[in-house]
Amino acid sequence: DTAVSQTPKYLVTQMGNDKSIKCEQNLGHDTMYWYKQDSKKFLKIMFSYNNKELIINETVPNRFSPKSPDKAHLNLHINSLELGDSAVYFCASSQTGGLLLEQYFGPGTRLTVT
Amino acid sequence: AQSVSQHNHHVILSEAASLELGCNYSYGGTVNLFWYVQYPGQHLQLLLKYFSGDPLVKGIKGFEAEFIKSKFSFNLRKPSVQWSDTAEYFCAVNARSSNTGKLIFGQGTTLQVKP
Repeated sequence: DTAVSQTPKYLVTQMGNDKSIKCEQNLGHDTMYWYKQDSKKFLKIMFSYNNKELIINETVPNRFSPKSPDKAHLNLHINSLELGDSAVYFCASSQTGGLLLEQYFGPGTRLTVT
Repeated sequence: AQSVSQHNHHVILSEAASLELGCNYSYGGTVNLFWYVQYPGQHLQLLLKYFSGDPLVKGIKGFEAEFIKSKFSFNLRKPSVQWSDTAEYFCAVNARSSNTGKLIFGQGTTLQVKP
């Protein structure tokens, strides 16, 4: 009964490859997010979808493309992976509206690009 | 642009010591404030949050934080830390006017509690 789940947990791949990370939430939330945590543990938002609509799109290379097939899923596809993409990627979800903007985070996907 | 600053990058305490982690933000409008904790190898968990009302908020595991609007601060406190509090602590801010739930995180504070 995991609230926010991500697959895979670890991903090791070579430069130039294309990879995807999947995220699913069973909380009934309408908004989902992708964050990147770098080697210094700094967390920065990348994207957010509300009811399958992109609402946050930070300055991220266009090699990163989020896809939300439904409001319970938000996947992250990365083309032409680079060494600098190595990081932990966290998915999160929340219910917007009112004051309940608490975000629930997934366990993270540690991406290592060699 | 909004930003969040956590003054202490690495804090080392002995068990039973008191803890205070500083957090300041830069934004002139109304904000929602959060403290998240990340235990080693785990995901972020919410410790506490402030939306409105009493500026002194209590969270899980004996943590509390005080919102001081005039100082743009939201410091985290615990009177007596335990070894199990060893973790990374993140302060985060959401600007209510954004209507997007976007969180701006501080750079985090690593807390190491010695038994």
